[in-house]
Order: sequence, then C-alpha cells, then structure tokens
Amino acid sequence: GAGVSQTPSNKVTEKGKYVELRCDPISGHTALYWYRQSLGQGPEFLIYFQGTGAADDSGLPNDRFFAVRPEGSVSTLKIQRTERGDSAVYLCASSYGGGSWNEQFFGPGTRLTVL
Amino acid sequence: AQSVTQPDIHITVSEGASLELRCNYSYGATPYLFWYVQSPGQGLQLLLKYFSGDTLVQGIKGFEAEFKRSQSSFNLRKPSVHWSDAAEYFCAVGARDSNYKLTFGKGTLLTVNP
Repeated sequence: GAGVSQTPSNKVTEKGKYVELRCDPISGHTALYWYRQSLGQGPEFLIYFQGTGAADDSGLPNDRFFAVRPEGSVSTLKIQRTERGDSAVYLCASSYGGGSWNEQFFGPGTRLTVL
Repeated sequence: AQSVTQPDIHITVSEGASLELRCNYSYGATPYLFWYVQSPGQGLQLLLKYFSGDTLVQGIKGFEAEFKRSQSSFNLRKPSVHWSDAAEYFCAVGARDSNYKLTFGKGTLLTVNP
C-alpha cells in the first residue's frame, strides 16, 4: 500500500519568506509526527499529533513554527519568517493508533533550503 | 532527558565481512530501543526494536541487536554484509513517558567495499 508521502520533495526559499510543508500519512494512521534532520545529525522531534490535536509540541524551536492537522489526516508544517538555520530535511512519520509504541513509518522528507 | 550516542560516524567494511554498529543510550529507566536505516532518497525504515524480554532481538534483512543494560548499549550486528546494506544507520530511544517521540543518535554511515 501507499506509504507516507511528503510534498514538495525540495523547497528553496529566501530568508524571511513563509513556507508550508505537507505530509500525507498512511491511511488509517491516527498518530502523526514531524521531525527535523539537519546536516550530519539524526532526526529531532518537533511535534506529535493524535488525531486532530497536537498532543506534544515541545520540540518546536520557536513560535515561527506551527503545524496543523485539521481533519486528522493530512498535516501541514508552517514556518514563518524563515531563517537560514531552518535549512534541513523535514521528516513526517505516522503510526497506527495511539497509547502505545506502534511502529512509526517515515516519509522521504522535504529538503528545505533557505537562501 | 534521554540521549543516544553513536560513536562511529563512518564505518567501512568489505562485502561478506561481519558488522557491528555501536549505540549507547542515556535514560534513567528501561528504554524502548530502535534501529533505523536510511538509504538515499528513502524514508527511515525500522530494522528492529527492543521493548522487554529477550535481550537479543532479530530484525529484518538479517540484522540483530543485543540490549546490554549494564553497558547501556544496544549494538547492531550482521554476520555477513551485502553491498545493498550501504546506508546510514540510526539508533533511537523512546522514553516510557515521552508521548512516543523518538530521540535519535547522529547516525553511522556504512560503506561496503566490493
């Protein structure tokens, strides 16, 4: 079946611009996660959704970052006033159900470059 | 807070040789432990996980890992490496009260020589 998809695969923007990154989770997966992977680093947790609500947003670096999941499926990560330090690969993962450690399935990521 | 250390940034092995990738974690209780593999252009794929019970766990693609509490380690092993195993490998830990978020190490890049 279809895996987690992320669009766009690459995004180049200028400093100060606004960007949106989209994640389509596996159908039926109620849990959704965003991670950020900087060059030479492992993925770092940003935010976790259970259904439509953000159950844990403790990893968002500052208030320029925001994520939504209005219908409990597709999620959008929004970054305002982008900075060069935001350049990274943004990964989305989904898992079946909540309340337990189900396998997180990762998408291929969106590579964001801020010039 | 939990953390993961992967001491080897880059490892090179010959095809057919054995492999061991090191992972050390820091966490006050028994953690949930994972190994993921990331190939270029691919998403992270789960190789194996440890939650409890038998400390030697088997995964996909012929990989295994052993949880050693006394050493706070969860090393990944494979008896005979194939060229297709060339990729980046990430160890991750999950805390039991952490809303299922994973904390990853920095990864080990594996190169396989023919």
